[in-house]
Amino acid sequence: DTGVSQNPRHKITKRGQNVTFRCDPISEHNRLYWYRQTLGQGPEFLTYFQNEAQLEKSRLLSDRFSAERPKGSFSTLEIQRTEQGDSAMYLCASSFPRTGNEKLFFGSGTQLSVL
Amino acid sequence: RKEVEQDPGPFNVPEGATVAFNCTYSNSASQSFFWYRQDCRKEPKLLMSVYSSGNEDGRFTAQLNRASQYISLLIRDSKLSDSATYLCVVNLSGGGADGLTFGKGTHLIIQP
Repeated sequence: DTGVSQNPRHKITKRGQNVTFRCDPISEHNRLYWYRQTLGQGPEFLTYFQNEAQLEKSRLLSDRFSAERPKGSFSTLEIQRTEQGDSAMYLCASSFPRTGNEKLFFGSGTQLSVL
Repeated sequence: RKEVEQDPGPFNVPEGATVAFNCTYSNSASQSFFWYRQDCRKEPKLLMSVYSSGNEDGRFTAQLNRASQYISLLIRDSKLSDSATYLCVVNLSGGGADGLTFGKGTHLIIQP
């Protein structure tokens, strides 16, 4: 499978716990994005990387959220001290933009439930 | 005004009919436009880019109206498998990746 891979598919945690998600992008894609989606809403941008550099962060990304892409390949998204409002689908996407045309390829997402 | 706005529907359409829906965007400087399809509990998948001159891919036609700041998607001869949520995506910033803004989606149900 050469698509975008995300792990785990589902995560149930108690409020206050830390969670970490992993995303493996399509290998030749240099851009990697994290989005969050709740029921009835479109995906909301969180952050993105070009290679290993984190270039943009949404104001939605509070200081409890941190993302890394240490070698420019896979990425992790960590949420510290989870809150019930963090419950959502966390989607990773990758792209190899040409002439500014951002076509995103999404992974299946990690569904987070904070109890 | 919301940045990228879509009618959430649902649009209930009989199989074989033609259906069209629009998406309005707030920034006249936007340069990139897309339609994504999302099935229930699945990830979004690119359906088609939207070009200034309009473009067609089989039964699907996408158009851009810069003057009125909207894009449209038309589906001809609709199939049961077209049932999904259709997400409009606009790069509002004209360049940066954080400018890629998704609408809430239009829910389409094709009925037999």
